[in-house]
Amino acid sequence: QVQLQQSGPGLVKTSQTLSLTCSVSGGSTSSAAYYWNWIRQHPGKGLEWLGRIYFSGATNYNPSLKSRVAISLDTSKNQFSLKLTSVTAADTAVYFCARDRAGGLDAWGQGTLVTVSS
Amino acid sequence: DIQMTQSPSSLSASIGDRVTITCRASQYIDTYLNWYQQEPGKAPKVLIYAASSLQSGVPSRFSGSGSGTEFTLTISSLQAEDFATYYCQQSYTTPLTFGPGTKVEIK
Repeated sequence: QVQLQQSGPGLVKTSQTLSLTCSVSGGSTSSAAYYWNWIRQHPGKGLEWLGRIYFSGATNYNPSLKSRVAISLDTSKNQFSLKLTSVTAADTAVYFCARDRAGGLDAWGQGTLVTVSS
Repeated sequence: DIQMTQSPSSLSASIGDRVTITCRASQYIDTYLNWYQQEPGKAPKVLIYAASSLQSGVPSRFSGSGSGTEFTLTISSLQAEDFATYYCQQSYTTPLTFGPGTKVEIK
């Protein structure tokens, strides 16, 4: 049974970089069967897809975030990471990592509330 | 981007009721449509993928149908543990997009 465990700070200062890591157990980030995604949810709101990475390193990002988002993969550690630069209060949200097996996002991390404050 | 809409935005229902939620895509997405259930404070859980395939471990009272631009999620007999928010999501193309959610509450 695959498990995704998120880590990273819950408080980030305005204009700095938000960094989160998702560690995968019970499955391999080297598998060609999956994409590895980041999604966020503003307080009391719906779900927003941020981007994903494939085992090859190929990425897709949400254009709404322009060039602020970057997702990387470390197959040796079986983990993937999110970096969001130049954060503002509008980036305060619960961030989730999730696995996509081309049939839905079938495994999720526990979620990390990240608050952006000066 | 493909815009997803859901109706209703919320509903009140009783245990045992049949509940139907509709999801519409702003353009053709074939059957690249997934449904999720989210309880407060928890991560979403996939119920239905590819419009009508039941995720392993999900009770058979959940079913999905549709193709193209219009889809439905049906709960045949609502149970206490089904009171939650439900989201549809298209996986036809990036950016992946979600509907705004339907909150199912106890009547």
